[in-house]
Amino acid sequence: QVQLQESGPGLVKPSQTLSLTCTVSGGSISSGGYYWSWIRQHPGKGLEWIGYIYYSGSTYYNPSLKSLLTMSVDTSKSQFSLKLSSVTAADTAVYYCARSPLLARSTDWYFDLWGRGTLVTVSS
Amino acid sequence: QSVLTQPPSVSGAPGQRATISCTGSSSNIGAGYDVHWYQQLPGRAPKLLIYGNSKRPSGVPDRFSGSKSGTSASLAITGLQAEDEADYYCQSYDINLSGVVFGGGTKLTVL
Repeated sequence: QVQLQESGPGLVKPSQTLSLTCTVSGGSISSGGYYWSWIRQHPGKGLEWIGYIYYSGSTYYNPSLKSLLTMSVDTSKSQFSLKLSSVTAADTAVYYCARSPLLARSTDWYFDLWGRGTLVTVSS
Repeated sequence: QSVLTQPPSVSGAPGQRATISCTGSSSNIGAGYDVHWYQQLPGRAPKLLIYGNSKRPSGVPDRFSGSKSGTSASLAITGLQAEDEADYYCQSYDINLSGVVFGGGTKLTVL
């Protein structure tokens, strides 16, 4: 059974870079058939899609975050990662990694498997 | 303010039916993009409940159903149970924002 697990620092200082990794277990990230996404949830708030990456390395970012974002994939470790630069307190959130089935129309993608999430607090 | 509008809360007694609406516009739901629904139990990650407007993943009870019409979509839950108390989110794609969008979420209370 495929599982996703987020990992990374729980505390990041303002203006620094937030770095998280999602490990995919029970399946291969390079088997194709799925996009791999990051989604965040601000405390007590709704969900915000951050971006996705395919095992080939192609990415698609939320335009509102694009200038600060870098996503990468390491197929040898079955991991994909997120880097968000110049963080502020507004980036404090629970960060989830999630899986999306590859569909004929990419605009219909949805998230069928989620990690448990990791809280990242931005504070000095 | 979310692109997709959901009521902040809905409630119903055990055994009754609850409906959660998701209102969008011509740049998302009205443009023909699919709507998906997620259930988030307290302290847990969201779980896919409905995809492709009305399809249920394996393991989701048929008490949960989804529909879409025009610029809106709805999630219906019949035979309410205490375990259904959760936050529910709709999700679609917005051509103007060039990405995935979520509703603000609806808290379902089973009285």
